[in-house]
Amino acid sequence: LAKTTQPISMDSYEGQEVNITCSHNNIATNDYITWYQQFPSQGPRFIIQGYKTKVTNEVASLFIPADRKSSTLSLPRVSLSDTAVYYCLLDRGSTLGRLYFGRGTQLTVWP
Amino acid sequence: NAGVMQNPRHLVRRRGQEARLRCSPMKGHSHVYWYRQLPEEGLKFMVYLQKENIIDESGMPKERFSAEFPKEGPSILRIQQVVRGDSAAYFCASSPDTGSRDSNTIYFGEGSWLTVV
Repeated sequence: LAKTTQPISMDSYEGQEVNITCSHNNIATNDYITWYQQFPSQGPRFIIQGYKTKVTNEVASLFIPADRKSSTLSLPRVSLSDTAVYYCLLDRGSTLGRLYFGRGTQLTVWP
Repeated sequence: NAGVMQNPRHLVRRRGQEARLRCSPMKGHSHVYWYRQLPEEGLKFMVYLQKENIIDESGMPKERFSAEFPKEGPSILRIQQVVRGDSAAYFCASSPDTGSRDSNTIYFGEGSWLTVV
């Protein structure tokens, strides 16, 4: 499974927009870019998934350039409750459920 | 996370004892996955099971660890003769029978925290 690279930690303040960038230089043609969120003492929760260009849902936006070698998760107007670890993964349909989690990005939102 | 039930949430075992972790997948899901998360690390895939079958156990340690998903009842991850290095959070996830392409069909439970003393 191809690995991803993302910052270990980020800090932000309430109300700001947060952008977390993930590098995946060895992404395969059939890989989808997927982001999960994990709060302390809880299991990961799916946030968003995309293949190319831009995807938006009620929680976040995902920006993927044409070469797909990186992606950016954008969280609008974060609040204290967005403090969590965010994981960027490559999801290949043939390996459904067998996901590779790196160390993720610890996002801390301050008041 | 709603729907995937894991128990116990917390388990303390002495070295050499056995640990049994249970996972009930979401209703209608017959695919179960176990992950382990060591302190300060990401989740690591251990095993993928369907009813009565082990599909992929490439992430399971070769010794002391076993998993099953019987026709009836929850999936069980069993760790024999536990050692301190087994202390971790163990997460179960499930996905539906239809094999939807969307990754958001994989739902994680709240986890079971094993502490070996």
